[in-house]
Amino acid sequence: EVQLMESGGGLVQPGGSLRLSCAASGFTFNTYSMHWVRQAPGKGLEWVSYITSRSSPMYYADSVKGRFTVSRDNAKNSLYLQMNSLRDEDTAVYYCARDPINNYGFHRFDYWGQGALVTVSS
Amino acid sequence: DIQMTQSPSSLSASVGDRVTITCRASQSISSYLNWYQQKPGKAPKLLIYAASSLESGVPARFSGSGSGTHFALTISSLQPGDFATYYCQQSYRTAQYTFGQGTKLEIK
Repeated sequence: EVQLMESGGGLVQPGGSLRLSCAASGFTFNTYSMHWVRQAPGKGLEWVSYITSRSSPMYYADSVKGRFTVSRDNAKNSLYLQMNSLRDEDTAVYYCARDPINNYGFHRFDYWGQGALVTVSS
Repeated sequence: DIQMTQSPSSLSASVGDRVTITCRASQSISSYLNWYQQKPGKAPKLLIYAASSLESGVPARFSGSGSGTHFALTISSLQPGDFATYYCQQSYRTAQYTFGQGTKLEIK
């Protein structure tokens, strides 16, 4: 059974940092691209970041570029999101999601974690 | 950036009804269009990918259509578990995986 489980969420002050983790199981992690998607309270979905199976290339939404860094450790079946210079508007539930497409093709998010809440507030 | 616009934003319907939600892209995205269902407090669930391909395990009452800039998600006969929020998403542009604003489907 495919499982994705986020951890590392919490309350952080504006300007602070936080690192989210996503533990994967039930599939061959090193053959899948992965994404981070977020959802502000009561709002819609916003794609945040994408990393291919071999960690390059990586892509970011304009709203987080230069502040967030995605990485992965295939030996540990884990995905990470390092979030720096956090702002109030980064407050959201952050989901990791699996993408069965590595290169060109119909990218989609076929499995999602349960989400980790990040609250940025003073 | 490619903008995705869903209509309606909310919809009331009854069990057994046939329902269609539409999604329009600001430019042609071929068939690079996915549909997700999200229930309160839960992660989204993939229903349809590549505009019309049914994800494994998803009931056949869900179907997708369209290409270019106009797309639709149809539920042929609403079941109690289908009341949720639905999102379209384009995957035409790498690193611009834009979602629509969502359509909340409520019980009439």
